[in-house]
This record gives sequence, structure tokens and C-alpha cells, in this order.
Amino acid sequence: QQQVKQSPQSLIVQKGGISIINCAYENTAFDYFPWYQQFPGKGPALLIAIRPDVSEKKEGRFTISFNKSAKQFSLHIMDSQPGDSATYFCAASIGADKLIFGTGTRLQVFP
Amino acid sequence: ETGVTQSPTHLIKTRGQQVTLRCSSQSGHNTVSWYQQALGQGPQFIFQYYREEENGRGNFPPRFSGLQFPNYSSELNVNALELDDSALYLCASSFGGTSGRGETQYFGPGTRLLVL
Repeated sequence: QQQVKQSPQSLIVQKGGISIINCAYENTAFDYFPWYQQFPGKGPALLIAIRPDVSEKKEGRFTISFNKSAKQFSLHIMDSQPGDSATYFCAASIGADKLIFGTGTRLQVFP
Repeated sequence: ETGVTQSPTHLIKTRGQQVTLRCSSQSGHNTVSWYQQALGQGPQFIFQYYREEENGRGNFPPRFSGLQFPNYSSELNVNALELDDSALYLCASSFGGTSGRGETQYFGPGTRLLVL
């Protein structure tokens, strides 16, 4: 009930391509779905977050797509750049705290 | 940078010892959450403090304990250290409002603990 499943575990994308990471959750009480980016040796940094009253949210090159009926959400990184190479975590929670994280996706963007 | 600071950055302890990790929250934030991130895994919620009281706890044993001070800084204490406690310990601060339900969490850089 509390799990958040994330895929793929790793992703290799060419510069300029689209990176897509998927997450699925079980607890229908979750109402906050953030994505965090983590570089080696650093703490996670919030990229973008969505609440279930909208199906899509876009901020710059980053877009969250949310499917409430399927209990799935995904992160799309458009025009991927080498500087985007990092580990990405999806998370879910009730009320934006006590986050339940996915297992992470290691993204490598090659020039 | 988020304004959340943690100390120390690295720590080596032996099994059975006790450790205290510290976190200073971002200005204006009154809620601190602690997470454990094992190598190659996502962070796992340990507990949260709101206005100096514990406000929720994850699936961690009682030897993991914490404190929050009047200036909203926080400590994580772990007693009787085990090898599996080796991990990156992350602190996140947020503004909990009057209900204790937080807004966006901002993470510090973490303390890497190695238990030998």
C-alpha cells in the first residue's frame, strides 16, 4: 500500500533526446507527487511536483504527466542535456510530507 | 543550495556505538524530517518533528530518536549502531503551517555514516 515503484533503473539518452521515467503507486490517499534530482554527494533537490487535480504540469524542459485512474505518473525531460545526468527519484505522500520515495533512476545523457 | 545544513558531512563509527547527527533548517521553516538513504536506494522516512514534537514515524526501531529545538534545528540520535545503519542521513525542512501538514521539503546535503 505504501510502495512507489519506479522504472527504469537506469536510462541512457542522447543529447537532445527525451528522457522518460515512470512511477506507479498503490495508496489512493496520496495527494502530492514530487520528482527530485540528486547528484553524487548531494541531497535530493525538488524538480517539479504535481497534485492529482491536474493531469499535466510543465516547468521548462520538465513535464509531469499524471494518470489518476491508472495510479501512475511520469517525468519527461525534453531536449536532455549532459548536465541532466543524475539520479531521479519520484515520491508520493499525503500532504507533502513524510515522502515515500521510489528506488531511483540513474540517467546518463551522452553528447 | 537550499539553506538546510547538516553536520558532520562524514562519520565513521563502530558497531554498538552511539551517534548524533545535526541539522539546521531553512529560515522560516518549522518542520524537520529525517530520511535514511542506503547506497543505491531511495530515501526512507525515519521521523518528522513539528514545533519540537514528533509528528509521524516510519518503520524504524526506537534506537533511532530525535529532538527539535526552539530554533527548529534538529538532532538525530542512533544508539547501538549496526552495520546496516551505514547510509546517507538526510534532513529536510519545510513549513508545516498550523496543522503540521508540510509544504515542499528542502533537503540538506546529508551526513554519510559508515559503521564498521
